[in-house]
Amino acid sequence: KAGVTQTPRYLIKTRGQQVTLSCSPISGHRSVSWYQQTPGQGLQFLFEYFSETQRNKGNFPGRFSGRQFSNSRSEMNVSTLELGDSALYLCASSLDPGTSGNTIYFGEGSWLTVV
Amino acid sequence: EDQVTQSPEALRLQEGESSSLNCSYTVSGLRGLFWYRQDPGKGPEFLFTLYSAGEEKEKERLKATLTKKESFLHITAPKPEDSATYLCAVPNFGNEKLTFGTGTRLTIIP
Repeated sequence: KAGVTQTPRYLIKTRGQQVTLSCSPISGHRSVSWYQQTPGQGLQFLFEYFSETQRNKGNFPGRFSGRQFSNSRSEMNVSTLELGDSALYLCASSLDPGTSGNTIYFGEGSWLTVV
Repeated sequence: EDQVTQSPEALRLQEGESSSLNCSYTVSGLRGLFWYRQDPGKGPEFLFTLYSAGEEKEKERLKATLTKKESFLHITAPKPEDSATYLCAVPNFGNEKLTFGTGTRLTIIP
């Protein structure tokens, strides 16, 4: 059974550009969440999608956005990139969100470097 | 707001030297506590979920325990391949947002 798949794994962008990251959840999982991981802040929640609807959003500026498609695949977009956006962006998926026993699995992440 | 604190920040052990990592938490309603292992440059790998005080789970050289205020990850006779950052996290009550601790970076010296 394939795990959470994220593409691309590595990318370098210039300040002011935008970037789109993609995530394919584990087959059958309908909840997809995104996290940003930096050495200084650790893992920070960005947003969660379930059945194409954003259910929760973390404390990030509006430059960070996302969406989920009918097949549960998700994308996140960061516009007007800043140097501080350099981070590992992690996607996670789960089967039964909001229930005890619901395990959340992570992908390998997308390394974004902004220069 | 949920809070998770892990200690120590870093831990160096000799191969075979057992120890414990600590995760203390403050949540409005515990719906479980997760332990993950993260290797450099990779995403967190799920290890355990604990749901109620007194619960224990084991996997190879790792054993996780839970009390009402904290969780411990006990590592027995560790090997160099156990070197990684170990993260604990709690889900927000009612949604899937995970609040993570800052992790313990474990190094096992051969």
